[in-house]
Amino acid sequence: DSGVTQTPKHLITATGQRVTLRCSPRSGDLSVYWYQQSLDQGLQFLIQYYNGEERAKGNILERFSAQQFPDLHSELNLSSLELGDSALYFCASSAAGAGSSYNEQFFGPGTRLTVL
Amino acid sequence: AQSVTQLGSHVSVSEGALVLLRCNYSSSVPPYLFWYVQYPNQGLQLLLKYTSAATLVKGINGFEAEFKKSETSFHLTKPSAHMSDAAEYFCAVSETGNTPLVFGKGTRLSVIA
Repeated sequence: DSGVTQTPKHLITATGQRVTLRCSPRSGDLSVYWYQQSLDQGLQFLIQYYNGEERAKGNILERFSAQQFPDLHSELNLSSLELGDSALYFCASSAAGAGSSYNEQFFGPGTRLTVL
Repeated sequence: AQSVTQLGSHVSVSEGALVLLRCNYSSSVPPYLFWYVQYPNQGLQLLLKYTSAATLVKGINGFEAEFKKSETSFHLTKPSAHMSDAAEYFCAVSETGNTPLVFGKGTRLSVIA
């Protein structure tokens, strides 16, 4: 158990819908990363938040957005869903944001999204 | 930009045989390198990491990897495969150790009895 929790574990929805994925980082971790794992694209970084602020952006679609709340949990919002958005979405957390020595990213179990 | 290439999307070995999973990286700065393992229907678990200390890195479950700057490689090895090693393995690179990970496509390891 990494200490990172993600809910829900599975999500099945229809095209055009909107969903919210939730991530609770390990106690004390300030950084949250979102990754998408799909058959087409493999594992790719979407977005990072550090202590409530966006720190880095990867291959995140405009239909997707995220935020980190004062209690440090994060939500990934996916809207106007398409079949191709079906994937496993991982959240990871680490102690620091940038500039300091290495801080391991701990991964949650993921949320499997199926768009029908 | 950083990138990772994993040679072989699927590797099959016999139980007790050597495991060798290949990873080559591209980075403009001295990289941080990682190997992660993903068991079916589970998340990612860190096997080992290179953070510019010793070039031969030992990880969990008997795995090790050697950082070779001249070859830009970070291959993963295990002397004797076990059935429980069957999983998907991902090599990843990070610019500073606190930046997002860039993953390879993954290598699925099958272990034959």
